Amino acid sequence: GIQVEQSPPDLILQEGANSTLRCNFSDSVNNLQWFHQNPWGQLINLFYIPSGTKQNGRLSATTVATERYSLLYISSSQTTDSGVYFCAVLLTSGTYKYIFGTGTRLKVLA
Amino acid sequence: EAGVVQSPRYKIIEKKQPVAFWCNPISGHNTLYWYLQNLGQGPELLIRYENEEAVDDSQLPKDRFSAERLKGVDSTLKIQPAELGDSAVYLCASSPGLARSYNEQFFGPGTRLTVL
Repeated sequence: GIQVEQSPPDLILQEGANSTLRCNFSDSVNNLQWFHQNPWGQLINLFYIPSGTKQNGRLSATTVATERYSLLYISSSQTTDSGVYFCAVLLTSGTYKYIFGTGTRLKVLA
Repeated sequence: EAGVVQSPRYKIIEKKQPVAFWCNPISGHNTLYWYLQNLGQGPELLIRYENEEAVDDSQLPKDRFSAERLKGVDSTLKIQPAELGDSAVYLCASSPGLARSYNEQFFGPGTRLTVL
């Protein structure tokens, strides 16, 4: 089956630092979403980005579907950015199923 | 616009007891998903509905788990009997529908189940 791997698995930053999170997938996908799971467990939508580049404030994302990866950029990180970041891909082949990546656990220190 | 609503938020039961979770999706969303999330892992799909039809239930342990989505709106996920290994967070999500060009998923707050 499809593999969705995220890197790095863990990341510790000082407040104000920038970071890049990566999502690699092993098969063709229709859609890709980035989520932030906050410390209370709520999955918050960040980007719906099957291809191209999008920006929302301090966050931006780029998906290169032909090369099977997506990147999430966080600039000027804040303590409220702490949590787990997941990418989820929608398969094109077989059943239309969203597969979540392994996650990146981010901790931003004050 | 209201988001995905789930209840209860927390549930503690003893093993072998039944338990049920309820989900109300975003209005107008045809697709409804139930996911299981174990500690430290990403969500895993249990079942997906397109309107009233369960179109993907391949990951649902059918010996003890059941689900329904009457009238294509609200959904209930049931476990009977619960086992210790069922302790996890159960997430509901909805999206406009796979037939549409835009199909972003939105998640509810989840139900944290503890089986003693």
